[in-house]
Amino acid sequence: AQKVTQAQTEISVVEKEDVTLDCVYETRDTTYYLFWYKQPPSGELVFLIRRNSFDEQNEISGRYSWNFQKSTSSFNFTITASQVVDSAVYFCALSEAGEGDDKIIFGKGTRLHILP
Amino acid sequence: EAQVTQNPRYLITVTGKKLTVTCSQNMNHEYMSWYRQDPGLGLRQIYYSMNVEVTDKGDVPEGYKVSRKEKRNFPLILESPSPNQTSLYFCASSPWPGPGGGYTFGSGTRLTVV
Repeated sequence: AQKVTQAQTEISVVEKEDVTLDCVYETRDTTYYLFWYKQPPSGELVFLIRRNSFDEQNEISGRYSWNFQKSTSSFNFTITASQVVDSAVYFCALSEAGEGDDKIIFGKGTRLHILP
Repeated sequence: EAQVTQNPRYLITVTGKKLTVTCSQNMNHEYMSWYRQDPGLGLRQIYYSMNVEVTDKGDVPEGYKVSRKEKRNFPLILESPSPNQTSLYFCASSPWPGPGGGYTFGSGTRLTVV
């Protein structure tokens, strides 16, 4: 069965610090997709990144970077030089390409507080 | 602008009074889905649709109905709302036949049933 675990319920860091949000997933499929979404205080869900299981290259987008490691079933998200606007709940998610391809399973989310 | 539009954004209703939350997407996406978000429980799928006239239950379908008569619209119907359906609801669409292409979410509907 597919499962996504975000062990960090809540994190607080001071502005300009780097912060890593952990995500561990479980799946029996060899083809699957991983995602990160951001939910700012306004409540909407914003897509950040999508990765397929065959692409283990790390990705960098500005201050955001993602580390995908199949060996440890992890897809961690790092924010470099954090800013107050990064304060949000961040969700890691998984979609299988095979039998479980009817949904995206979300982790419970990590609430990130960036303190000025 | 490519988007998923949900209405209303906020709704307070009374137990038993039928309501519909509308969802419309302008991206010609085949796959659409409804989720509810509750504190401590995260996001849970209610129903999904792979295409017109094709719908199926998600993890928490009880008390909800959906229809997909047109590709762009996927309304969520609560025939007899109850207080345990108080939640934040999201509609989502995906460019693939399934959700693997990633979701575009609507802005959410905060429903309170009293």
